[in-house]
Amino acid sequence: NAGVTQTPKFRILKIGQSMTLQCAQDMNHNYMYWYRQDPGMGLKLIYYSVGAGITDKGEVPNGYNVSRSTTEDFPLRLELAAPSQTSVYFCASKGSYTDTQYFGPGTRLTVL
Amino acid sequence: AQSVAQPEDQVNVAEGNPLTVKCTYSVSGNPYLFWYVQYPNRGLQFLLKYITGDNLVKGSYGFEAEFNKSQTSFHLKKPSALVSDSALYFCAVRFLYHGSGNTGKLIFGQGTTLQVKP
Repeated sequence: NAGVTQTPKFRILKIGQSMTLQCAQDMNHNYMYWYRQDPGMGLKLIYYSVGAGITDKGEVPNGYNVSRSTTEDFPLRLELAAPSQTSVYFCASKGSYTDTQYFGPGTRLTVL
Repeated sequence: AQSVAQPEDQVNVAEGNPLTVKCTYSVSGNPYLFWYVQYPNRGLQFLLKYITGDNLVKGSYGFEAEFNKSQTSFHLKKPSALVSDSALYFCAVRFLYHGSGNTGKLIFGQGTTLQVKP
């Protein structure tokens, strides 16, 4: 049982490039979340989804986009990468009848 | 506004001593409170949660947390710290959504680094 998986683990981007961070879960969870973690700032919610085909903005959505075409996958798209998007990105999921979120191992992104 | 505060950036404790990591919250209504732990270069792991019932909640790895409604606090505790407990600890509260459905969104504190020295 893999849980929540994220790829890649690390990535360096140049300013203006784009990329997609992949997230997948095999627990049949309806709810999925994308967070970014900056030192001393805790985790900030970027986007979330309550089911396939349904997404909504979190606290810090600017510069990001998401889609949710299947229950398993919740990719995060960065368009026109900026240095302010240098961060560690975590994906999480939870089932419909629990409040506990399960986190992936994270993607460390650097934009130079 | 709903928020969570962890007033200490770092807590230092000697191995074998009791530890406390503090958390206070501000929400309307009854809070759902959580503690997560993050080891270096890893994702967050769930430790424990308070939904309702007994104010003392027991969780993984010997940790417990005490919910105090009058002080709006949810401090994490352990009677005897281990070096392996050294990690980053996050308190979180479930966002109360005044609409249809429960989005399950969490609001996290900024994190407290626990350093346990031998």
